[in-house]
Amino acid sequence: SQKIEQNSEALNIQEGKTATLTCNYTNYSPAYLQWYRQDPGRGPVFLLLIRENEKEKRKERLKVTFDTTLKQSLFHITASQPADSATYLCALNYGGSQGNLIFGKGTKLSVKP
Amino acid sequence: GAVVSQHPSRVICKSGTSVKIECRSLDFQATTMFWYRQFPKQSLMLMATSNEGSKATYEQGVEKDKFLINHASLTLSTLTVTSAHPEDSSFYICSARDRTGVYYEQYFGPGTRLTVT
Repeated sequence: SQKIEQNSEALNIQEGKTATLTCNYTNYSPAYLQWYRQDPGRGPVFLLLIRENEKEKRKERLKVTFDTTLKQSLFHITASQPADSATYLCALNYGGSQGNLIFGKGTKLSVKP
Repeated sequence: GAVVSQHPSRVICKSGTSVKIECRSLDFQATTMFWYRQFPKQSLMLMATSNEGSKATYEQGVEKDKFLINHASLTLSTLTVTSAHPEDSSFYICSARDRTGVYYEQYFGPGTRLTVT
């Protein structure tokens, strides 16, 4: 069965630095992969979607890469701010492009001023 | 971006009673909606998938008679937890899929915290 792992349970960085979060999966490559932000007691908020034929995608200070050879996605936040502190979830689909999502456990990012 | 609302945000009920949670897509039509459950420090676990006008598909281990799902329209799905017990206490989150092109972005509601006493 497909498994998805976010290597770090927690990541602490200094304000202004780049945060890099890792998402690895086993078995087959998904048609697309999504990253979400989740604050305590709230539902996930969609950030970025990257397709299997895309290497990199950017949105403001966010950048996502997708390496189907390594079976890995990296999520970067540049010039991080304390307001970026949250849990970030990686999710990939299974069962084709219309398939359901499975989620990693998330990485809790803390940005210190 | 697409907005999904959920109501109520918090509910406390007594053991044995039933609770209904509503999920609405506010500015798009969602042919598919999903219900997830999340325990503290755990990942979101998919409970069921529902398509408008048809019966929900439940994940393995989820009791369909306990968690009743109705997807009556393209913008509304409901989850009813019947005869709730303390072990049903959890954070329930709905999600709706926005059909844009071939690949589908998925948007989540703010969640409902259910506490069964």
